[in-house]
Amino acid sequence: ETGVTQTPRHLVMGMTNKKSLKCEQHLGHNAMYWYKQSAKKPLELMFVYSLEERVENNSVPSRFSPECPNSSHLFLHLHTLQPEDSALYLCASSQGRGWEQFFGPGTRLTVL
Amino acid sequence: GDSVTQMEGPVTLSEEAFLTINCTYTATGYPSLFWYVQYPGEGLQLLLKATKADDKGSNKGFEATYRKETTSFHLEKGSVQVSDSAVYFCALSPNRDDKIIFGKGTRLHILP
Repeated sequence: ETGVTQTPRHLVMGMTNKKSLKCEQHLGHNAMYWYKQSAKKPLELMFVYSLEERVENNSVPSRFSPECPNSSHLFLHLHTLQPEDSALYLCASSQGRGWEQFFGPGTRLTVL
Repeated sequence: GDSVTQMEGPVTLSEEAFLTINCTYTATGYPSLFWYVQYPGEGLQLLLKATKADDKGSNKGFEATYRKETTSFHLEKGSVQVSDSAVYFCALSPNRDDKIIFGKGTRLHILP
């Protein structure tokens, strides 16, 4: 595969479940990002990783836990979410933090 | 701080109409400027970019010129198609070491 892939594409979970979102980039990039996109806030940056180190956490609740085991993979671990966390979660990567970003197709998350 | 302001949508046009989506920015120094497009059910895609003043980015019939004197990067297309219906995001990168800042997005509807 090429570009940025995300799995699953759709996820429905209850408030007590634990799930993980996966992102993989095949572009040799050094920076990876998680964004939340909802009707209220069109594009909200959550986390930034550069060379596998978290360099930014934009006041995201602790029920969202990112993990970057290597420069090609990024995970978002979810637990005890709230219905207002329902949104499209987008992963992106770039060669460096200020370079153009390449996005995955997103995971549509619904919290019941 | 650095920021991007783009016109609020939705913008509704008839097919073959001329399109302008306004974008202005605030930044110190010489940022790079981008337009991204998000089609329904997909992630964002880079549409075009410009890295210095007076540069014109172009792709798929869309154009935008980096105007430092007016701090603007307006997106234009001479004749829109129904397939151009999407959300358009203006963005800037202050420098190669700092993350990209996105505008709030403008939804475009093209009527047949």
